[in-house]
Amino acid sequence: SAVISQKPSRDICQRGTSLTIQCQVDSQVTMMFWYRQQPGQSLTLIATANQGSEATYESGFVIDKFPISRPNLTFSTLTVSNMSPEDSSIYLCSVEGTGSTYEQYFGPGTRLTVT
Amino acid sequence: AQKVTQAQTEISVVEKEDVTLDCVYETRDTTYYLFWYKQPPSGELVFLIRRNSFDEQNEISGRYSWNFQKSTSSFNFTITASQVVDSAVYFCALSPSSNTGKLIFGQGTTLQVKP
Repeated sequence: SAVISQKPSRDICQRGTSLTIQCQVDSQVTMMFWYRQQPGQSLTLIATANQGSEATYESGFVIDKFPISRPNLTFSTLTVSNMSPEDSSIYLCSVEGTGSTYEQYFGPGTRLTVT
Repeated sequence: AQKVTQAQTEISVVEKEDVTLDCVYETRDTTYYLFWYKQPPSGELVFLIRRNSFDEQNEISGRYSWNFQKSTSSFNFTITASQVVDSAVYFCALSPSSNTGKLIFGQGTTLQVKP
């Protein structure tokens, strides 16, 4: 299993500012994933972060808006830049588990409100 | 294109009733993975099951059971003898074998179990 923690758990930010979300995993993982869940909506993958290489972004998400760092095998950050109210969402970090069940684990999420 | 459809937006049942949550998926991949997650009001995503495309055996875990039918591209989830604690949003998701951490989520089904 994998235990994922995220910081901050929630934040209220003003438009035009940036927020960096941290994701820490209790074991080394090759890939980390960042998802967004807009209010009342489903989850959408933002990007895949591999250690030692640039993140791979999904259609509709760009590096300038959501820069990602992956300095080691247990940690990643996602920055939401130049925020607008439309960025108000829950941002979740995810990793694949190891072992026979191959669970996909999710962190507790960061609830972001942009005013 | 890959897609997951959960046609039931909301379901309301009375405690002890059985309830089935439908999930239909679309993919051209021959190898893929299907997931179910539970998101209670607290917001965290709870992993319930992962099934690969070559394993069509039905799964039972306590009051939970899953029916995977490739012929109809469905992966339905049944809760037997529902309880109030089952009230949550349930998500079905699909991932390709090429990137098993990239989950494509359905829109979710909100289940309300009334006492």
